[in-house]
Amino acid sequence: DIQLTQSPSFLSASVGDRVTITCRASQGISSYLAWYQQKPGKAPKLLIYAASTLQSGVPSRFSGSGSGTEFTLTISSLQPEDFATYYCQQFNTYPRTFGPGTKVDIK
Amino acid sequence: QVQLQESGPGLVKPSETLSLTCTVSGGSISSYYWSWIRQPPGKGLEWIGYIYYSGSTNYNPSLKSRVTISVDTSKKQFSLKLSSVTAADTAVYYCAREVTLIRGVIMENWFDPWGQGTLVTVSS
Repeated sequence: DIQLTQSPSFLSASVGDRVTITCRASQGISSYLAWYQQKPGKAPKLLIYAASTLQSGVPSRFSGSGSGTEFTLTISSLQPEDFATYYCQQFNTYPRTFGPGTKVDIK
Repeated sequence: QVQLQESGPGLVKPSETLSLTCTVSGGSISSYYWSWIRQPPGKGLEWIGYIYYSGSTNYNPSLKSRVTISVDTSKKQFSLKLSSVTAADTAVYYCAREVTLIRGVIMENWFDPWGQGTLVTVSS
């Protein structure tokens, strides 16, 4: 199985901050990576697929980059509605696997 | 737009079989892969497996011996059965559609939409 790690696992930030989350894969996965946002009691919501393609309707302050084994999700200016947990997920092979998540909390 | 809704018992006894159904509305069940994903309380996400509308399946090896996913295209439903459950199977279970888009030689995949999720507790 491809293992995904995320760093940090938790971050505390203020509204307006630039936030970067890193996802690393245990082996190369090309650009077969998606990012999701999950709020308490809700299903994950797709933000980015193919490592850098913004899902329709997702604010442009979200962006993704990377390929191979290292990927980043960046929120350019954190908004109150962005406080949530973020997961990366790989589509290179089966079984599909997710990162452990990064919780973004209010400072 | 396509919406997914999970249904099934919220409480299952240890050693019994967990059964859930996902109903697809607002779109076709054809030409897509349909997955089950679970999330234990306070923990991360685990992909359980998928079924293609034609009936082919692929399961997570960690659960393969206990999982069966089936599809009923006439009802636009797909179902999950997980046998011999224990407390470790307590989780919110989500159904989701895997979308695959081929652009030339590049393939793009994502899970969207997801159902709202249903909590299944394994307890006597």
